[in-house]
Amino acid sequence: AQSVAQPEDQVNVAEGNPLTVKCTYSVSGNPYLFWYVQYPNRGLQFLLKYITGDNLVKGSYGFEAEFNKSQTSFHLKKPSALVSDSALYFCAVRDMRDSSYKLIFGSGTRLLVRP
Amino acid sequence: DSGVTQTPKHLITATGQRVTLRCSPRSGDLSVYWYQQSLDQGLQFLIQYYNGEERAKGNILERFSAQQFPDLHSELNLSSLELGDSALYFCASSGDRGDTQYFGPGTRLTVL
Repeated sequence: AQSVAQPEDQVNVAEGNPLTVKCTYSVSGNPYLFWYVQYPNRGLQFLLKYITGDNLVKGSYGFEAEFNKSQTSFHLKKPSALVSDSALYFCAVRDMRDSSYKLIFGSGTRLLVRP
Repeated sequence: DSGVTQTPKHLITATGQRVTLRCSPRSGDLSVYWYQQSLDQGLQFLIQYYNGEERAKGNILERFSAQQFPDLHSELNLSSLELGDSALYFCASSGDRGDTQYFGPGTRLTVL
């Protein structure tokens, strides 16, 4: 069965410092991996994805994520956090062998960037 | 703006009632997905339609149903509503390859 784990309910970081939001996954086949961000009273915004190729994926707003197959992880990173990055972040996975394309989401990690 | 629209934004209704949520996908997208976001269950996949046909079902209750029309918009029908159905309902759409799903702003359903 497919699953995603986001082990931290909340991550606190000071503005200007690097941030990491952790994600590990479990799928039967090869994964498609995604990060989405949700601001208060808003929908989910797509940040970045890993399908194949380079393990380091760059996305919107300066975010990047590193795919690590051996550790089955896809951690989200940013070199310098902004207060405006404070939001709820979701990691999601799709099994490449699943013809439905449905996404399995983690429980979400709240990022709080303090000034 | 993702290009996916959902109406209404908010819906307040009573137990036992029936509601319809509407979604218009991004221009050209053939796939529509419905997800439910609740505090206890998180974000869960409900159902997917592709070009008018049901493609996959997730944790969707028998009281819930959906359809996709020839113009590709989709509706999610929720009936015999219970307090526990209160949640944020998202629609997403994707293109033919189905890799990236783009989400609408959601419909917040409150059942009193």
